[in-house]
Amino acid sequence: NAGVTQTPKFQVLKTGQSMTLQCAQDMNHEYMSWYRQDPGMGLRLIHYSVGAGITDQGEVPNGYNVSRSTTEDFPLRLLSAAPSQTSVYFCASSLDRGFNNEQFFGPGTRLTVL
Amino acid sequence: GNSVTQMEGPVTLSEEAFLTINCTYTATGYPSLFWYVQYPGEGLQLLLKATKADDKGSNKGFEATYRKETTSFHLEKGSVQVSDSAVYFCALSETASNTGKLIFGQGTTLQVKP
Repeated sequence: NAGVTQTPKFQVLKTGQSMTLQCAQDMNHEYMSWYRQDPGMGLRLIHYSVGAGITDQGEVPNGYNVSRSTTEDFPLRLLSAAPSQTSVYFCASSLDRGFNNEQFFGPGTRLTVL
Repeated sequence: GNSVTQMEGPVTLSEEAFLTINCTYTATGYPSLFWYVQYPGEGLQLLLKATKADDKGSNKGFEATYRKETTSFHLEKGSVQVSDSAVYFCALSETASNTGKLIFGQGTTLQVKP
């Protein structure tokens, strides 16, 4: 199993550009989520999905869109990049939304917006 | 709302020293508690967890006890190694909202010197 994979590893954007961060998992997990990690702030939830075709907003959703057309993939779209979106982005998955479940994290995407 | 507070870092120790990283939480209901570890350049991975009061989670020589009376989940290890150098995150799962969401502390960086 590859686990949770993310691409790209690094990305530099100019303000106003759009892009998609890719996330895939091969563990047949129902639950997937996106977090951003900023210094001194831990990880904050952007969007999550409890299954194919179902998505919902997390703590900091503004400026981001998601979709979940398959169980495996959960891309994160930045519509019009802003410097405030400079961060490290982590995708995670777990078996389901159960609160005891371990979440598996991808290696992260480091995004810089100029 | 729910929150997690960790001790400020970085924590610098010599090899074989005793480690404590403090974590306290505020939550409604009965959350599960987790410690995740992030090694340099990698995503987060689960270190240990506890799902109810007085449970002790343990793994790789680390342990933490779910203390409901003090709302704490402090991480301890009797003898740290250089390979334990990483960022440690305390987290809780929101049980009331049924979203699968994790609330993270800000992270504590541990540096172990030979």
